[in-house]
Amino acid sequence: DTEVTQTPKHLVMGMTNKKSLKCEQHMGHRAMYWYKQKAKKPPELMFVYSYEKLSINESVPSRFSPECPNSSLLNLHLHALQPEDSALYLCASSPELKQPQHFGDGTRLSIL
Amino acid sequence: GNSVTQMEGPVTLSEEAFLTINCTYTATGYPSLFWYVQYPGEGLQLLLKATKADDKGSNKGFEATYRKETTSFHLEKGSVQVSDSAVYFCALIAGGGYQKVTFGIGTKLQVIP
Repeated sequence: DTEVTQTPKHLVMGMTNKKSLKCEQHMGHRAMYWYKQKAKKPPELMFVYSYEKLSINESVPSRFSPECPNSSLLNLHLHALQPEDSALYLCASSPELKQPQHFGDGTRLSIL
Repeated sequence: GNSVTQMEGPVTLSEEAFLTINCTYTATGYPSLFWYVQYPGEGLQLLLKATKADDKGSNKGFEATYRKETTSFHLEKGSVQVSDSAVYFCALIAGGGYQKVTFGIGTKLQVIP
């Protein structure tokens, strides 16, 4: 069983909808990450949080908005997405930056 | 910049065959090296790691040795099972400050009974 829990597992939304992806870990990790993974490709880093502060934004469009309410939770707010944003969105955590990351099973997002 | 090179596959093997998936890298300094595995419909799982030259990472019958002289971290398993069918990603973290994980393209392994 994965120790990083992501909800929902699947999400279908229209281009005008607003939705949120959620990620939770209870391992005491202080770094959390969002990745986007397209089919047959490796994950691409989107955002990094360290000690609840945004450390890295990999030039992600503003229609993706991350939030870290506390050390165990990480959200990704979605608004006005495009069909090309359809992908598997993975959350990960690590004890500190540069340490091995633990991944959740992802949210498979489809944009109609 | 940092990079990881691995075969794309698919690699198709019969059950109990020997597995090798090659991985070579370029990186600044002394990277930490990882193999992740992704089963169908799941996220990535850390399979094994090595943090310095000549370290051998091992887990679930898989092994990889950090070879600084050849900048390689090849994944091996002596006898694969159908349940090993997955995509395997070689990855590294290198450099000072925060450096994001650099992944290879992933190698799909299919094991047939």
